[in-house]
Amino acid sequence: GNSVTQMEGPVTLSEEAFLTINCTYTATGYPSLFWYVQYPGEGLQLLLKATKADDKGSNKGFEATYRKETTSFHLEKGSVQVSDSAVYFCALPVYNQGGKLIFGQGTELSVKP
Amino acid sequence: EAGVTQFPSHSVIEKGQTVTLRCDPISGHDNLYWYRRVMGKEIKFLLHFVKESKQDESGMPNNRFLAERTGGTYSTLKVQPAELEDSGVYFCASDTTGRGGYTFGSGTRLTVV
Repeated sequence: GNSVTQMEGPVTLSEEAFLTINCTYTATGYPSLFWYVQYPGEGLQLLLKATKADDKGSNKGFEATYRKETTSFHLEKGSVQVSDSAVYFCALPVYNQGGKLIFGQGTELSVKP
Repeated sequence: EAGVTQFPSHSVIEKGQTVTLRCDPISGHDNLYWYRRVMGKEIKFLLHFVKESKQDESGMPNNRFLAERTGGTYSTLKVQPAELEDSGVYFCASDTTGRGGYTFGSGTRLTVV
């Protein structure tokens, strides 16, 4: 079945550093892939998505490219800010199960000034 | 449009008590999902409603958990009796497509002491 493996945290970076959070997946078919973010005290927000191979999802300076050959969907940002401190989750739908999502374990990011 | 609303935002109860969580989806969204995150682990699916019907309840941990969605509008998730391991954050989401990438509420943080 579908599964997702996400880089463990916590990750601590200085402001303006480059960020990569790794996410790899196994999947039946070619599902959409998602990154969600949970800021402190808030709910889960959809950060970006990609619906097919080689698609690049982007939002708020974050990017992730759907790589079929490496089964990866790594999250990147060129210059992080303190306000990016949050928990990031990689996710994909379970094959043929109506929108049910599988999430990675979450990566906590802390950005220091 | 109003987002997915969950309440209470926090609940602290004693072991053995009953708690009811509520989720108000975005108006017109037939699909409603419940998830939870326990002890900083990955977010796990609990169940999926399509309108008032339970489409998939494979993630419900045991029969102490009861979810309802009367009239296909808001949903409740009751835990009775609560156990210590039920502590965590319970998220609700809704959408129209049933394909993932949906909007979540802010979650209810449940603490069982």
